[in-house]
Amino acid sequence: EDQVTQSPEALRLQEGESSSLNCSYTVSGLRGLFWYRQDPGKGPEFLFTLYSAGEEKEKERLKATLTKKESFLHITAPKPEDSATYLCAVQADSGNTPLVFGKGTRLSVIA
Amino acid sequence: DAGITQSPRYKITETGRQVTLMCHQTWSHSYMFWYRQDLGHGLRLIYYSAAADITDKGEVPDGYVVSRSKTENFPLTLESATRSQTSVYFCASSESILRTQYFGPGTRLLVL
Repeated sequence: EDQVTQSPEALRLQEGESSSLNCSYTVSGLRGLFWYRQDPGKGPEFLFTLYSAGEEKEKERLKATLTKKESFLHITAPKPEDSATYLCAVQADSGNTPLVFGKGTRLSVIA
Repeated sequence: DAGITQSPRYKITETGRQVTLMCHQTWSHSYMFWYRQDLGHGLRLIYYSAAADITDKGEVPDGYVVSRSKTENFPLTLESATRSQTSVYFCASSESILRTQYFGPGTRLLVL
């Protein structure tokens, strides 16, 4: 069974304090790994897709990386507006399988 | 404005009543999805559809019914609502099963 585990469940950072969020996955074969951001009361907003180990993508203060077993979302010098829940999802390589989501990491950045 | 919309945004109903949540997208995406999001469980797939008149079960389909007569609409019906169906429901769409899913704003449902 495909599984996605995100850690930590919650993270509190001071403004400017860099850190990383982790997404560990177990799939028979990875077709793609997706990162989303979700603000309170809103739907998830797409950030990145990663397809193969070693791949990296960046957007402003966020950088996503991928290995064969996990992905990291690195947040450099975060600002309060980066506060949100970050969701990771994987798509397996077998047939037309939908995404499997992790439970998310709730990030709070304090000014 | 193009995108994906859900209605109603908030709904309060009683146990045993039928409720329909609407989802509409303007991108002509083939795939549409319904998720529920609960504390401690994250996003769980209820049903999805590859095209008009083609639907498939997700992880938690019991108690829900879907239909898709038009590509742009994907309604979700709770035939007899139960308290355990109190949740936030999200609709999403994508060009294909391999592509990025784009989410609607959600419907908050409270079953009393």
